[in-house]
Amino acid sequence: TQLLEQSPQFLSIQEGENLTVYCNSSSVFSSLQWYRQEPGEGPVLLVTVVTGGEVKKLKRLTFQFGDARKDSSLHITAAQPGDTGLYLCAGNWPLYGQNFVFGPGTRLSVLP
Amino acid sequence: KAGVTQTPRYLIKTRGQQVTLSCSPISGHRSVSWYQQTPGQGLQFLFEYFSETQRNKGNFPGRFSGRQFSNSRSEMNVSTLELGDSALYLCASSSQGAVELFFGEGSRLTVL
Repeated sequence: TQLLEQSPQFLSIQEGENLTVYCNSSSVFSSLQWYRQEPGEGPVLLVTVVTGGEVKKLKRLTFQFGDARKDSSLHITAAQPGDTGLYLCAGNWPLYGQNFVFGPGTRLSVLP
Repeated sequence: KAGVTQTPRYLIKTRGQQVTLSCSPISGHRSVSWYQQTPGQGLQFLFEYFSETQRNKGNFPGRFSGRQFSNSRSEMNVSTLELGDSALYLCASSSQGAVELFFGEGSRLTVL
């Protein structure tokens, strides 16, 4: 059973298109992180969101934390081939006796 | 500031053998976590060490073990390897009280 779900699982788009990926759970997070992982490398932290309703922007990436702190979205404007990778969300979940739980990821491919 | 360093990057073992993986965290980070990443299960939490003590443990069999040294470097060991242990093993470090993880590039283990 996945504690964190991500959708879509796979996404292939053309350069210049916009996209949104989602991270959902039935439980409340203390905080949530988004990571991007490229083949053969470890995940790299993109952002941390803590407050319900919080919106953070990182260049063309916009991250939103749901008001109830159960879900999050990542929106990419004018995607570029360099955005290709596996996007992972991770929840800080101390009640489950571990620090972080990861979603299964969204694999994004941006074609030139 | 040097990042998280994992060694070896790649290794091949046969069933029944054991393996030890090493992780050097970012200087000043005292928390080290280990994750197993496979295509089917995604990123799964193995354990977390802080100041030489195991603070959290994931749902893995006792064949998976770890330790942390006084300089915060960490090792994980897998005994009696099984084919299903083939995976990318990722180490992540974080500073005390922080919610962000900084990952190494991983050790890719193949069990034949």
